[in-house]
Amino acid sequence: EDQVTQSPEALRLQEGESSSLNCSYTVSGLRGLFWYRQDPGKGPEFLFTLYSAGEEKEKERLKATLTKKESFLHITAPKPEDSATYLCAVQVFGGGATNKLIFGTGTLLAVQP
Amino acid sequence: DSGVTQTPKHLITATGQRVTLRCSPRSGDLSVYWYQQSLDQGLQFLIHYYNGEERAKGNILERFSAQQFPDLHSELNLSSLELGDSALYFCASSVAQLAGSYNEQFFGPGTRLTVL
Repeated sequence: EDQVTQSPEALRLQEGESSSLNCSYTVSGLRGLFWYRQDPGKGPEFLFTLYSAGEEKEKERLKATLTKKESFLHITAPKPEDSATYLCAVQVFGGGATNKLIFGTGTLLAVQP
Repeated sequence: DSGVTQTPKHLITATGQRVTLRCSPRSGDLSVYWYQQSLDQGLQFLIHYYNGEERAKGNILERFSAQQFPDLHSELNLSSLELGDSALYFCASSVAQLAGSYNEQFFGPGTRLTVL
């Protein structure tokens, strides 16, 4: 069964304290891995797409990396405005009919000033 | 702003009732996806439409149905509502849906459904 696991469930950082979030997956036919940011009561906001092992993407203080079994979201010198839930999703090949996303349960990040 | 719109933002109704949630995809996007997000389940894929045709179903109850219209907007119909149907319902859209293609999905702001 396709599965996505994120850790930790929650993370509290001091402003400027760098860390990493983990997303491990067990899926057949991976077509891509996506990172989203979600603020309370709002829709997920697209951050990155990673397609193949070894790929890296960066955006401001965020950097996403991908291996064959997991992805990391590195947060460098975070600020309070980076506080949110970070969701990882994998796109699986649905036999030609669909590319549905399977989401992890997310990591709730709180950055304290 | 993702460009995906959803109405209404909030919906409060009673058990046994029927509601319709509406979604307009980003301009140019042919695919619409519906997701349910509850506190204990996370984001769950419900159904996918591409250019008016149903492409896949996920964990969608038989009481729920959806359609995509010629102008590409989509509606999710929830009937015989139960307390457990209370959740955030999100619509997402992507550019195209060809076999083997990779498409980022962009999410709308969601509809919060409360069943009393």
